[in-house]
Amino acid sequence: GAGVSQTPSNKVTEKGKYVELRCDPISGHTALYWYRQSLGQGPEFLIYFQGTGAADDSGLPNDRFFAVRPEGSVSTLKIQRTERGDSAVYLCASSLAGGNEQFFGPGTRLTVL
Amino acid sequence: GESVGLHLPTLSVQEGDNSIINCAYSNSASDYFIWYKQESGKGPQFIIDIRSNMDKRQGQRVTVLLNKTVKHLSLQIAATQPGDSAVYFCAENNYNQGGKLIFGQGTELSVKP
Repeated sequence: GAGVSQTPSNKVTEKGKYVELRCDPISGHTALYWYRQSLGQGPEFLIYFQGTGAADDSGLPNDRFFAVRPEGSVSTLKIQRTERGDSAVYLCASSLAGGNEQFFGPGTRLTVL
Repeated sequence: GESVGLHLPTLSVQEGDNSIINCAYSNSASDYFIWYKQESGKGPQFIIDIRSNMDKRQGQRVTVLLNKTVKHLSLQIAATQPGDSAVYFCAENNYNQGGKLIFGQGTELSVKP
């Protein structure tokens, strides 16, 4: 079956611009997670959705970052006024429910010039 | 604070040999530990997991050992193959924190044919 998909695979933007990153989880998975991975580091938790609501957004670095999941399926990570330090691979994962095995997508590589 | 780390950043082994990748964690409240494999340009792929009430779990060619006394986790790969070359991450989870995973830095495994 289809796995987790993320679009775009690569995004290059200029400092100060707004970007949206999309995640399509595995069908039927109620839990969805966003992580950020810098070069040579492990993924870093950003936010976790259970259904439509954000169950834990403690990993969002600041108020420039926001994520939604309006219908409990597709999620969008939104970054305002991008900074060079936002450059990283943004990973999405989904699971049947919180605490179960997480399946990761291929990630979106964001480069802020 | 919480942290999950690895003893060795790189590991080079000969094809056919056994590999051992180590991980130290500091949060004694963690309930669940997972090993992920990440190939270049891809998202992390689940390998094997272990609950905190166990000290050993075996899969196909892989074994995970958990030593809660010294807060140490290891991944053993038998008869290592070139396809095993990747970066390996350990991650921990606390059920009270939902599905949030805390990842270590990673170990790069290189298998020489």
